[in-house]
Amino acid sequence: AQRVTQPEKLLSVFKGAPVELKCNYSYSGSPELFWYVQYSRQRLQLLLRHISRESIKGFTADLNKGETSFHLKKPFAQEEDSAMYYCALKNRGSTLGRLYFGRGTQLTVWP
Amino acid sequence: DVKVTQSSRYLVKRTGEKVFLECVQDMDHENMFWYRQDPGLGLRLIYFSYDVKMKEKGDIPEGYSVSREKKERFSLILESASTNQTSMYLCASSIGGARDTEAFFGQGTRLTVV
Repeated sequence: AQRVTQPEKLLSVFKGAPVELKCNYSYSGSPELFWYVQYSRQRLQLLLRHISRESIKGFTADLNKGETSFHLKKPFAQEEDSAMYYCALKNRGSTLGRLYFGRGTQLTVWP
Repeated sequence: DVKVTQSSRYLVKRTGEKVFLECVQDMDHENMFWYRQDPGLGLRLIYFSYDVKMKEKGDIPEGYSVSREKKERFSLILESASTNQTSMYLCASSIGGARDTEAFFGQGTRLTVV
C-alpha cells in the first residue's frame, strides 16, 4: 500500500537559514512525487515535481529511491516561504491522477 | 489558467440536512476529485471521477456521495450532515489520460455542521 510520511507537523526557522522539509514514502510501483504548497488564504498549488527536476522559488527536491525519500530543501529561507507544505505521490503513468498526500508540514520563517 | 471554482467559500448547515457542494472546472479535464482537509490529518480523498457518470471511492467515502452528470461539474453530497463532517473541502481536477500531471485545486469550502 502507498504511504506518504511527513514526520514534522511544524517547522520553524529564521530568515536566511537553510530549511529542509522531510518526506518519506512507501510504494511498490513506480512513483511520481510532488510538493504542493498552500500559502495563507490561497488555494493549494503545485510547487514542484521530481520529474521536472527544476528549482522553484529556490526550492529543490531530489527523489532518493534507495531511501524512499523526497525531501524539500532551500538554502536560504525567506519570510514569504511561510506556508503549509504537502508531499504527494502518484502512480507514475496512471491516467486516473489520484494523489496520496502526507499530513503536511507548517513552515514558519521568522524575521 | 486552469480555474477550479467551488460554489461556496463558507457554509453552515444543521445536523441531518442534505448538503450539496458544487465544483466546476473550465479546462476540459477528465479527472475530478473531492478531498477533505483537516489539521494534522492532511488531505484525505473522499471520491474521484475519471469520466462523466464514472466515480470511484477514495479513502473516506462513508456519509458522502458524488455526482458527475457533466464533464465540467463534480458535486459532493452529504446525505445527512453530521458534526464530524465539519471540515474544509477541496475540489481538484487534472487533465487525465497519458498526459496527466498536476492537480489544480479550488479555493475550498469551509463547512460547519451545527
